Amino acid sequence: AQSVTQPDIHITVSEGASLELRCNYSYGATPYLFWYVQSPGQGLQLLLKYFSGDTLVQGIKGFEAEFKRSQSSFNLRKPSVHWSDAAEYFCAVGVGEKLTFGTGTRLTIIP
Amino acid sequence: DARVTQTPRHKVTEMGQEVTMRCQPILGHNTVFWYRQTMMQGLELLAYFRNRAPLDDSGMPKDRFSAEMPDATLATLKIQPSEPRDSAVYFCASVLGLENSPLHFGNGTRLTVT
Repeated sequence: AQSVTQPDIHITVSEGASLELRCNYSYGATPYLFWYVQSPGQGLQLLLKYFSGDTLVQGIKGFEAEFKRSQSSFNLRKPSVHWSDAAEYFCAVGVGEKLTFGTGTRLTIIP
Repeated sequence: DARVTQTPRHKVTEMGQEVTMRCQPILGHNTVFWYRQTMMQGLELLAYFRNRAPLDDSGMPKDRFSAEMPDATLATLKIQPSEPRDSAVYFCASVLGLENSPLHFGNGTRLTVT
């Protein structure tokens, strides 16, 4: 069965600093990988997805993620965070129509 | 901008009462999911439907939970009787049904059972 690990429960970053959120997956075949963001009181919104091809994928709001098969990782990055990026971020692996989510990383932005 | 609509947004009820949560998927989406989110367990898949037929409800406690799609525009999740451990945020999500298409989530129903 597939699984997703997000090792960082909570990360604090200064506004304008760079960001990297970690995600490791376990799946026997080529994974389909997603990053979602959840703002307080809201549902999850898709940031980006990886199906195949270029291992560096671009998403909305200036986010990108890199798929590294050798490390079973799909880390999310942003060069310069904004206060509005404060939220909870979820990595997910898809098998067919079903998604398995990681436990999430809460991002706090300090001025 | 098409959205998944969930009602109610908040529900407080007493233990033993019946709770019904509703979801209107995005028009044209034929696959609907119910997820539960808690601090301890994170996001758990409870059940999902394709073309209104239940495909997988293995994540759902069978004795008290039931999920249905009376028609293509409405999905319901019912808990009877409710228990304090059911307190969570329940999300509905819909998708067009193509393999590994991204899910579109509603804003959730926050359920508190006292």
